[in-house]
Amino acid sequence: DAMVIQNPRYQVTQFGKPVTLSCSQTLNHNVMYWYQQKSSQAPKLLFHYYDKDFNNEADTPDNFQSRRPNTSFCFLDIRSPGLGDAAMYLCATAYGVNTEAFFGQGTRLTVV
Amino acid sequence: AQSVTQPDIHITVSEGASLELRCNYSYGATPYLFWYVQSPGQGLQLLLKYFSGDTLVQGIKGFEAEFKRSQSSFNLRKPSVHWSDAAEYFCAVGILTGGGNKLTFGTGTQLKVEL
Repeated sequence: DAMVIQNPRYQVTQFGKPVTLSCSQTLNHNVMYWYQQKSSQAPKLLFHYYDKDFNNEADTPDNFQSRRPNTSFCFLDIRSPGLGDAAMYLCATAYGVNTEAFFGQGTRLTVV
Repeated sequence: AQSVTQPDIHITVSEGASLELRCNYSYGATPYLFWYVQSPGQGLQLLLKYFSGDTLVQGIKGFEAEFKRSQSSFNLRKPSVHWSDAAEYFCAVGILTGGGNKLTFGTGTQLKVEL
């Protein structure tokens, strides 16, 4: 009965090879977030969607892009992964603007 | 800009002992405040939240937190810690924007429980 599902849980990609991480939700929440969490650090917001409106954080590298084709799915695309992009990527959802965020289990990305 | 400080990087307590994890925030208005817990290799689970009203909030797993505006603090407490509470704990402040509730996290406190 997982509500925010991230696939895959573990992803290994080659340096410079594009990779896509996916997130789906069964909560029908209109807000979806992508966070990057490096080892022993706090999660850092990359971008979020409010419905179809995309909001990019000012310091999110251009190498990172996102797509949200419908309410249930959201994708994180890393165009040319570098070694510094190795991290846990967390997807979260929320209903409206005045509520808490629900997180998925995360995808651990390794760049070789 | 908003910020969250968790002064304790690591805390070790004995099972059955009480626990307090500290959190201070910086934000110009009344924030939305959260505590999340993260087990190794897992996502974040919400323990409790403060939006308004009673400054003492109860959460899951026997945790509570108290919002103190004068001290800009939102400390997490538990009267008796269980070994299964060992995890990393993140305090977060939510800033309401037109695009949603954006969370800024503290750097986390790693809790170790000694049996």
